[in-house]
Amino acid sequence: QKEVEQNSGPLSVPEGAIASLNCTYSDRGSQSFFWYRQYSGKSPELIMSIYSNGDKEDGRFTAQLNKASQYVSLLIRDSQPSDSATYLCAPNNRLAFGKGNQVVVIP
Amino acid sequence: KAGVTQTPRYLIKTRGQQVTLSCSPISGHRSVSWYQQTPGQGLQFLFEYFSETQRNKGNFPGRFSGRQFSNSRSEMNVSTLELGDSALYLCASRLGTASTDTQYFGPGTRLTVL
Repeated sequence: QKEVEQNSGPLSVPEGAIASLNCTYSDRGSQSFFWYRQYSGKSPELIMSIYSNGDKEDGRFTAQLNKASQYVSLLIRDSQPSDSATYLCAPNNRLAFGKGNQVVVIP
Repeated sequence: KAGVTQTPRYLIKTRGQQVTLSCSPISGHRSVSWYQQTPGQGLQFLFEYFSETQRNKGNFPGRFSGRQFSNSRSEMNVSTLELGDSALYLCASRLGTASTDTQYFGPGTRLTVL
């Protein structure tokens, strides 16, 4: 099993809807997680970090970390066409990244 | 403050050649990490340097090497290039090694091996 898994294929959501992304991990020692957004042809940029169990909200983004179940999720509320990108998750050591979830927001 | 810079931005090489890529971190940042990104494998960690010392190394063959200089600038070298080395090579810098340090990526070097 890879250290960080993002298995779902491209996610198409209508503008204004909620996009839900999930990431599972195998290293129980991972204390915190980061979500990066990568536009096509660009480098990743950090959009959310979460350091403890539970939810963290930042604008239209909500990250949730569940250490018992070893998953971290990202919700994008009121999705906008500008949210169309690939979203990568990584644990705090940043030695492993998920392959990413591509999100396409349809106007 | 200037961001992470990488040179060159694009590179075309042939099999068997070697290549050196350069990364200048954000001023004041002492940690530099390198990643390889391909459509099939995603973003894969190569190595991390802090204060000229390699802290971590990913699962890549010995053809991949790196170093960091006293000014925190870093280089990575790939010898005996193979077709499969074609990828986007990303450098990322952060202030130190704390897990809370935000990591900033450079624009990448697109390497094509023919």
